[in-house]
Amino acid sequence: GQQVMQIPQYQHVQEGEDFTTYCNSSTTLSNIQWYKQRPGGHPVFLIQLVKSGEVKKQKRLTFQFGEAKKNSSLHITATQTTDVGTYFCAANTDKLIFGTGTRLQVFP
Amino acid sequence: DGGITQSPKYLFRKEGQNVTLSCEQNLNHDAMYWYRQDPGQGLRLIYYSQIVNDFQKGDIAEGYSVSREKKESFPLTVTSAQKNPTAFYLCASSIASRSFTEAFFGQGTRLTVV
Repeated sequence: GQQVMQIPQYQHVQEGEDFTTYCNSSTTLSNIQWYKQRPGGHPVFLIQLVKSGEVKKQKRLTFQFGEAKKNSSLHITATQTTDVGTYFCAANTDKLIFGTGTRLQVFP
Repeated sequence: DGGITQSPKYLFRKEGQNVTLSCEQNLNHDAMYWYRQDPGQGLRLIYYSQIVNDFQKGDIAEGYSVSREKKESFPLTVTSAQKNPTAFYLCASSIASRSFTEAFFGQGTRLTVV
């Protein structure tokens, strides 16, 4: 079945440093979604990318969809302690398949 | 308030017993999903339903069963055949599968089998 991998699995950063997580699919995707799950919480939708090469920004977060639509990235500029959580990408076909996730820890 | 509700939040069961987790949504969504999350792990798809009275197996359906008799309800039964049932279970819904719409998640049910 379709697989969506994310790297790194964990990332510890000092507050103010940048953070990037990468998402890779074994197949071409029609779209990619990103979710954030706070510790002890449930995933919450952040954004969706549809077009090849698309770039979207939400304040300090930048999301990118690869030209071949097989990979995506989430970059956070100047991390804050409120960014702590696990970030998932998800491929939406006839079902919603989640990536393995990247857990971000931010030290003050 | 519109949303998706899972109950209970915490559930304890003895080994060998079946247990049913509730998931209800009043968002008028066609698609519903069940995921399992183990500590430090991602979300693995158990079952999904694109429309009422229809559902499909996900990647880890063995030991689980579902029903979709009503649009707003998608209960998950963890059977005694599930070898390692202790986990965090998340239910989600979206307007429709195959559509470019976000999924909304319930608060989750943390199941512990002793």
